[in-house]
Amino acid sequence: QSALTQPASVSGSPGQSIIISCTGTSSDVGGYNYVSWYQQHPSKAPKLMIYDVTNRPSGVSDRFSGSKSGNTASLTISGLQAEDEADYYCSSYTSTTTLVIFGAGTKLTVL
Amino acid sequence: QVQLVESGGGVVQPGRSLRLSCAAAGFTFRSYGIHWVRQAPGKGLEWVAVVSHNGGNNHYADSVKGRFTISRDNSKNTLYLDMNSLRVEDTAVYYCAKDGGGMRYFFDYCGQGTLVTVSS
Repeated sequence: QSALTQPASVSGSPGQSIIISCTGTSSDVGGYNYVSWYQQHPSKAPKLMIYDVTNRPSGVSDRFSGSKSGNTASLTISGLQAEDEADYYCSSYTSTTTLVIFGAGTKLTVL
Repeated sequence: QVQLVESGGGVVQPGRSLRLSCAAAGFTFRSYGIHWVRQAPGKGLEWVAVVSHNGGNNHYADSVKGRFTISRDNSKNTLYLDMNSLRVEDTAVYYCAKDGGGMRYFFDYCGQGTLVTVSS
């Protein structure tokens, strides 16, 4: 089972918006609304940012939003702030034998 | 608040065994599925296994199937991962992660992780 495809890196200036894509197949991203996104700062545990494609847990800034079109999900971060600099991982339920797959991660740099 | 505290990591030789534990607090442990997720040094996240709320249903990543066993003791609010026939490629930080509910396979809380190093 291949990992979901994410860009290795994205960057943006404070105040700008960025989009991180996550491409899978009809067996995972395209077939189910079970896409989630995680933020991970260096040496820290992953933190849930988006679940079920578009839902934001309580306490997560509304600058973070999720969407999906076909086999590609996206995480949008608006009004970039310095503390947003981190690695971001997408994840999806999959109908294959491995029930959950991740993307390889995207390093966000705030310029 | 929700707390997940992993323990049991360490250095182990290839082919040997190790048991990880995860102590949970701050939520009704017996009502939620719990996962193990790992991260090799400098690499991305990899899902390892999940156990249902009552321990009656388990699933594993292909990479660990037949070698790792996930279990739980709801009377002790504790999750376990028994790892046998360890390989160098099992070296990683292992996180326990609470399922968000309804087995929708997202993790709303993660512990801080425990490092497992497999090396001769």
